[in-house]
Amino acid sequence: EAQVTQNPRYLITVTGKKLTVTCSQNMNHEYMSWYRQDPGLGLRQIYYSMNVEVTDKGDVPEGYKVSRKEKRNFPLILESPSPNQTSLYFCASSYHRVTGELFFGEGSRLTVL
Amino acid sequence: GQNIDQPTEMTATEGAIVQINCTYQTSGFNGLFWYQQHAGEAPTFLSYNVLDGLEEKGRFSSFLSRSKGYSYLLLKELQMKDSASYLCAVNNAGNMLTFGGGTRLMVKP
Repeated sequence: EAQVTQNPRYLITVTGKKLTVTCSQNMNHEYMSWYRQDPGLGLRQIYYSMNVEVTDKGDVPEGYKVSRKEKRNFPLILESPSPNQTSLYFCASSYHRVTGELFFGEGSRLTVL
Repeated sequence: GQNIDQPTEMTATEGAIVQINCTYQTSGFNGLFWYQQHAGEAPTFLSYNVLDGLEEKGRFSSFLSRSKGYSYLLLKELQMKDSASYLCAVNNAGNMLTFGGGTRLMVKP
């Protein structure tokens, strides 16, 4: 089954404790992206990747890092989480960066205390 | 900068037709997407428009006017399961997809 898998789905952590949200897709998509979704603000892009070893900042990259060492995986790293990073995070992938529909993971709800 | 506007909430009756508007101002344009998102779930793709005109797909249709920076999503024969948020997203001339805040549609019996 074609899918985008994120883990963990739910996480409560404390300020400053590094964490990684994993994302994996099995559709051989080149384009992958991370979004955060907050009430009243909609989906905002954090980082995206056009292909292996190619990553770029989105609208709200501060406080986040990403890597793309393999085509299928695109982890999101919060080196020192802060409460303002409490949000619902979605990973997504697409076969084409411009015209391709995005396939979203189920979301990861992160709470930073 | 990018600016995408949609109404925050709409209410409609089961069986009726509803039109959800989206206006945009972006630094470039490579197409406009509509996604549906049920509460607590991930967004799912509905439609993609890159040329002016109407694209029909079953009960859902999407319209685009590039000169006016305007799109709408038309939902016919509304069903209770259509209660969801509808997200308009524009792909600018680069590699970024910018989303509007979404329109929460409530379908009432």
